[in-house]
Amino acid sequence: DAGVIQSPRHEVTEMGQEVTLRCKPISGHDYLFWYRQTMMRGLELLIYFNNNVPIDDSGMPEDRFSAKMPNASFSTLKIQPSEPRDSAVYFCASSLSTDTQYFGPGTRLTVL
Amino acid sequence: ILNVEQSPQSLHVQEGDSTNFTCSFPSSNFYALHWYRWETAKSPEALFVMTLNGDEKKKGRISATLNTKEGYSYLYIKGSQPEDSATYLCAFNTKAAGNKLTFGGGTRVLVKP
Repeated sequence: DAGVIQSPRHEVTEMGQEVTLRCKPISGHDYLFWYRQTMMRGLELLIYFNNNVPIDDSGMPEDRFSAKMPNASFSTLKIQPSEPRDSAVYFCASSLSTDTQYFGPGTRLTVL
Repeated sequence: ILNVEQSPQSLHVQEGDSTNFTCSFPSSNFYALHWYRWETAKSPEALFVMTLNGDEKKKGRISATLNTKEGYSYLYIKGSQPEDSATYLCAFNTKAAGNKLTFGGGTRVLVKP
């Protein structure tokens, strides 16, 4: 298996623009997670899905952030409008049931 | 706010020396404790998942122990090598939290040749 796939790997955008991050989980995994990594807060969970259904979005910072999982093999995290404080590395991870979570390579987002 | 604490935050180890560091977590409602290895510019890589008090897991020169009653886990690296340089993260979850992990801040290990 190719592992968790994320795109783009790097994104540089200007404040106010819409940003869409993409994730393809490992085939057969029923959980998908979106994390954000910053120096200040470390690795924090934003939202996770089980069988394409959002289970816990309490980590989503504010209404500017939204996430979808239209099918078992694809998820998006959207920021609209983006702000400089959104600059971070965003990781997607997937797991089978409550087993080990496998992380993707991350998307490094810079908002100018 | 993190309630999983790792210490020390960083440590330098001479190549060939052994080392260990700690992860502390709330002992109530414990379900599982995870260790991850995170190299710079890469993504976290799972090392161990531990669920039972007294559990001990081993992968090559790296091993971990778990004490769920007092809420801590140790990670040991035997005969450190430069390729062991990484940040080691622990994360735990409760049964109520399901698959939601709470991560510690990590211990950054630098092995000097």
